[in-house]
Amino acid sequence: GAVVSQHPSWVICKSGTSVKIECRSLDFQATTMFWYRQFPKQSLMLMATSNEGSKATYEQGVEKDKFLINHASLTLSTLTVTSAHPEDSSFYICSARDSQGTEAFFGQGTRLTVV
Amino acid sequence: AQSVTQLDSHVSVSEGTPVLLRCNYSSSYSPSLFWYVQHPNKGLQLLLKYTSAATLVKGINGFEAEFKKSETSFHLTKPSAHMSDAAEYFCVVSFTGGGNKLTFGTGTQLKVEL
Repeated sequence: GAVVSQHPSWVICKSGTSVKIECRSLDFQATTMFWYRQFPKQSLMLMATSNEGSKATYEQGVEKDKFLINHASLTLSTLTVTSAHPEDSSFYICSARDSQGTEAFFGQGTRLTVV
Repeated sequence: AQSVTQLDSHVSVSEGTPVLLRCNYSSSYSPSLFWYVQHPNKGLQLLLKYTSAATLVKGINGFEAEFKKSETSFHLTKPSAHMSDAAEYFCVVSFTGGGNKLTFGTGTQLKVEL
């Protein structure tokens, strides 16, 4: 199957700093990418949907100024957590889909810890 | 609107015995249905998917699921559990009219005991 690479796999940052998470589709062009957040022992919560070259669509309750999403190319989307606080600590997962597929391919996730 | 319900948050089986993870869905349109597995601190791996072809879908690692429209169910089964099957399993639904947005169930933690 297609490969989606997410980097870094884990990151620890100080409160008030910003963190960038990258999501790359390695062997296909991802016209749509999704960003999820997962709290411990809970399901995935969709944060936003991004289409290449356009602004991301955020789910209700997700602060777009705090979680900046950029999908500048067909193989790369980034999520930047700005002015991170301990409550932003979570597991963030991206997924990517090409223009024709009904299947989404997931990255391996990023464990963010804000101290 | 679409939704998916995983009826059991935890399932415990003995190694070598059958596995049944239940999933019911609600969708206004013909859905696509998926089962994903997640090991601790890892991303999601697709086990199998149903996209309006054969109703009995075979996936990886011996798992299979049957799409039953009359029951709006898509239960995941495996004849014989292995220790390595212990993980979190998510049932997921999407449909074309919804922008292919995935809706996740709450997950089922599968425990496999010796």
